[in-house]
Amino acid sequence: NAGVTQTPKFRVLKTGQSMTLLCAQDMNHEYMYWYRQDPGMGLRLIHYSVGEGTTAKGEVPDGYNVSRLKKQNFLLGLESAAPSQTSVYFCASSYPRTGRETQYFGPGTRLLVL
Amino acid sequence: AQSVSQHNHHVILSEAASLELGCNYSYGGTVNLFWYVQYPGQHLQLLLKYFSGDPLVKGIKGFEAEFIKSKFSFNLRKPSVQWSDTAEYFCAVNASNTDKLIFGTGTRLQVFP
Repeated sequence: NAGVTQTPKFRVLKTGQSMTLLCAQDMNHEYMYWYRQDPGMGLRLIHYSVGEGTTAKGEVPDGYNVSRLKKQNFLLGLESAAPSQTSVYFCASSYPRTGRETQYFGPGTRLLVL
Repeated sequence: AQSVSQHNHHVILSEAASLELGCNYSYGGTVNLFWYVQYPGQHLQLLLKYFSGDPLVKGIKGFEAEFIKSKFSFNLRKPSVQWSDTAEYFCAVNASNTDKLIFGTGTRLQVFP
């Protein structure tokens, strides 16, 4: 039981390049989330999904797109990377919401945009 | 808009000292409250959570937190810290059973032997 996994662990991009971050969970969770973590700003929600085929915007969605084609996977895309997107990206998942569920986090992806 | 404030950005303690980390939120309705911890090089994991009942909640590794509704606070405490408690601690709030958690900015705790 791997929990939540993220690929890649680390990536360096040049401004304008694109990439996709993959999150996978094997806990049969309905809800999945993408956060970014920046020094002094905590975790901020980028996008989230409440089920296969559905996505919604979070607090800081600009410059990112997501897809949830399969229940176990949640992809985060950067179409044209900018230095402001240098961050650590965390994926999380949880059971259907009552608001009380624990979110289970992946190990993170460090992204550096030059 | 809902927000979560953690006023202690960086706390340095010696082993065996007592710990209290502050967390305040701005929302007048029903809240579910969480503390997550991120040990160096590791991912976030749940320390404890509160959603109803006894306002004093006990979590893993000897941590506890007290929900004080009148103060909109959910402070984290531990009577005697250990070097292994060195980590970043995040308070998070879910307001009115919505889909989202709002995280505080985190408190970095360093414990020296």
